[in-house]
Amino acid sequence: DIQMTQSPSSLSASVGDRVTITCRASHGIRNDLGWFQQKPGKAPKRLIYLASTLQSGVPSRFSGGGSGTEFTLTISSLQPEDFATYFCLQHNSHPYTFGQGTKLEIK
Amino acid sequence: EVHLLESGGGLVRPGGSLRLSCVASGFTFSTYAMNWVRQTPGEGLAWVSDINSWGDYTNYADSVKGRFTISRDNSKNALYLQMDNLRAEDTAMYYCANGDWLDYWGQGTLVTVSS
Repeated sequence: DIQMTQSPSSLSASVGDRVTITCRASHGIRNDLGWFQQKPGKAPKRLIYLASTLQSGVPSRFSGGGSGTEFTLTISSLQPEDFATYFCLQHNSHPYTFGQGTKLEIK
Repeated sequence: EVHLLESGGGLVRPGGSLRLSCVASGFTFSTYAMNWVRQTPGEGLAWVSDINSWGDYTNYADSVKGRFTISRDNSKNALYLQMDNLRAEDTAMYYCANGDWLDYWGQGTLVTVSS
């Protein structure tokens, strides 16, 4: 199985800050990675697919990068509605696997 | 607008069975692979199973293989997960998600396995 190691597990930041979350895959997964946002009691919402393609309707302050084994999600200027949990998903090979999640909190 | 609505969750005793359903709208269901994913506070998110658009090819996580069966009815825009021989560790929120890349997710249905 491909292990996805996500860091940090939690992050405290302020509105307007730039933040970056990282996922590392135990084996190369090309660009078969998505980033998701989840708010309490809600379904996950995809932000980025194929590592760097922005989902339609998602603000441009979100961006994704990387390929192979190292991937990043960057929020260029945090907005109040961005405080949530973020996680990555590899869909390169079965079983699909998720990162452990990053809880983004207001400082 | 894509909409996925799960149902069928509930409280069941260990060794029991449940059948989850997911009804889809807003996209051409018969052309999309579909997935089940579960989430617990302690373990996070875990992919459970997927099925191709035709319904003739399936994959399962090792933890559920031989106990869970995924199926679909394209005439009803519906996805199913038959869960047998349930264990306490199957307790989770279960989500359905569409596409090979898990494009959109439903709101989930809660399964609790407890005596």
